[in-house]
Amino acid sequence: GESVGLHLPTLSVQEGDNSIINCAYSNSASDYFIWYKQESGKGPQFIIDIRSNMDKRQGQRVTVLLNKTVKHLSLQIAATQPGDSAVYFCAENNAGNMLTFGGGTRLMVKP
Amino acid sequence: DAGITQSPRYKITETGRQVTLMCHQTWSHSYMFWYRQDLGHGLRLIYYSAAADITDKGEVPDGYVVSRSKTENFPLTLESATRSQTSVYFCASSEQTVGNQPQHFGDGTRLSIL
Repeated sequence: GESVGLHLPTLSVQEGDNSIINCAYSNSASDYFIWYKQESGKGPQFIIDIRSNMDKRQGQRVTVLLNKTVKHLSLQIAATQPGDSAVYFCAENNAGNMLTFGGGTRLMVKP
Repeated sequence: DAGITQSPRYKITETGRQVTLMCHQTWSHSYMFWYRQDLGHGLRLIYYSAAADITDKGEVPDGYVVSRSKTENFPLTLESATRSQTSVYFCASSEQTVGNQPQHFGDGTRLSIL
């Protein structure tokens, strides 16, 4: 989840397709992970979370997969809609009461 | 259900001035947090509070002061604003400690320091 300054990694998908957004986390001791969605001019909005004792968790149209071996987290969005266009962040809890956030990925949905 | 609200939404001030950003939550959450969001750095924690009258430094606390006299309010003060503090500031809250519950964010204050 490294930020690249002004140029966020961008994923462009067709409406109705599935989206997969990836995140590499930094600390093998992290035990809790969250995905957030941020629309322009708004704060991050909670999507789904997962604890390190799980590999997969499903919500409504979203699935989070956790691969602890390679320290990788992914967010899958089924049947992507224009309203899903936003920046998506992963966050990990690796130091007590602090979350560390990735740089984000911009999802663009083409109608 | 108002959730978490921040004020003002936009603020322009000059270097050297004191400015206070307000955060109010209606959930009675124990934990509250202040972040700044900058291009190239993502979200960085400034300060957090585990309960009323308990505050702790985050990753980037220098130049900021917080207080928490009531559970529902967590103001952030820049005592002498500098241009490097131009940013978007987000307040968040959570019911429990970080490893158990997600944080819920307000819509931010966009602060410009001239």
